[in-house]
Amino acid sequence: ETGVTQSPTHLIKTRGQQVTLRCSSQSGHNTVSWYQQALGQGPQFIFQYYREEENGRGNFPPRFSGLQFPNYSSELNVNALELDDSALYLCASSLAQDSEAFFGQGTRLTVV
Amino acid sequence: AQRVTQPEKLLSVFKGAPVELKCNYSYSGSPELFWYVQYSRQRLQLLLRHISRESIKGFTADLNKGETSFHLKKPFAQEEDSAMYYCALSSYNTDKLIFGTGTRLQVFP
Repeated sequence: ETGVTQSPTHLIKTRGQQVTLRCSSQSGHNTVSWYQQALGQGPQFIFQYYREEENGRGNFPPRFSGLQFPNYSSELNVNALELDDSALYLCASSLAQDSEAFFGQGTRLTVV
Repeated sequence: AQRVTQPEKLLSVFKGAPVELKCNYSYSGSPELFWYVQYSRQRLQLLLRHISRESIKGFTADLNKGETSFHLKKPFAQEEDSAMYYCALSSYNTDKLIFGTGTRLQVFP
């Protein structure tokens, strides 16, 4: 059984650019959630995907969007990057709602 | 508003001392409460959840609805307990988590 994997581990982007982050969920998990963790803060919920449909969204603007694929892997896309988007982005997968969420190692995004 | 508050950024104790990491929450309804832990260079992982009422690695946490608290306790801290601890809540039957800002626990030998 493989755990949650995220790619890339680090990247640097310029303000105004677009970025795509990827997450492979743990084997058998059909729910993926994305979190943003700014320095010194706890993770903040961005959105969740369940069986390829968005299933809840946090307080993030529409330039944060996502996808979930038939194999339950997921992407987080951020358009028009701002300096404040610099953070660790965490992906978590779970078997279903109300079950334990397993986190990936995260992608460290730096916007300059 | 749904919120989790962890008042201490850093808690330092000596090995063998008791530990209490504080967590207070505000939520209208019946939340589920969790403690997550992140050891150095490892990913965030679930330590315990209130509905399971388990003791994990000697840690326990009791949900006090009157005080809206879910403090994490261990009677005798070990050096390997040094880590970042996050309290979190989710609404019933979902797994969308609201995290606190975390408390770093340092256990000195």
